[in-house]
Amino acid sequence: NAGVTQTPKFQVLKTGQSMTLQCAQDMNHNSMYWYRQDPGMGLRLIYYSASEGTTDKGEVPNGYNVSRLNKREFSLRLESAAPSQTSVYFCASSEAVGTSGSALYNEQFFGPGTRLTVL
Amino acid sequence: AQKVTQAQTEISVVEKEDVTLDCVYETRDTTYYLFWYKQPPSGELVFLIRRNSFDEQNEISGRYSWNFQKSTSSFNFTITASQVVDSAVYFCALNQAGTALIFGKGTTLSVSS
Repeated sequence: NAGVTQTPKFQVLKTGQSMTLQCAQDMNHNSMYWYRQDPGMGLRLIYYSASEGTTDKGEVPNGYNVSRLNKREFSLRLESAAPSQTSVYFCASSEAVGTSGSALYNEQFFGPGTRLTVL
Repeated sequence: AQKVTQAQTEISVVEKEDVTLDCVYETRDTTYYLFWYKQPPSGELVFLIRRNSFDEQNEISGRYSWNFQKSTSSFNFTITASQVVDSAVYFCALNQAGTALIFGKGTTLSVSS
């Protein structure tokens, strides 16, 4: 039982390059999330997927796209990387309690993070 | 709107001291969850506790305890007899219905021997 896995662990990009961060969970959770963590800013939500087939913007979605490929996988894509996207990216998953419009979420389980540097 | 404030950016203590990490939240909902997470220097995020808004009973787990007070919208975390291994960044988070978790900016705790 691996929990939440992320690839890659480290990545260096040049400005303008694109890449996809991969995330998978084996806990059969409905909900998945992408966060970025910057010094002094805490964790900020980029996008989340309450259930398979749905995605919603979080606090800082600009410059990113996501795909909920299936229940297990949730990828984050940077189409044209910018230095401002240098950060540590965390994927998380959780189980929801209640219906989608009024769901509360149990504790989130986090992946190990991806450290991305954009030059 | 929902918001989580961790006013203490950094705290430094000496081993065996007790330390309290403050968390104040804002929400209009009556039903919500509150969480604490720990991020040690290795970088992973570790879940510590979840509290339902209807359960104001304090929680104790070993050297950790949590004080939830709806009257002051606070969910404070106390470590008793701190140890060097407690050095980490601690995050408080809030979830209200239909939204994802909102995290505070975190408190960095440094415990020296």
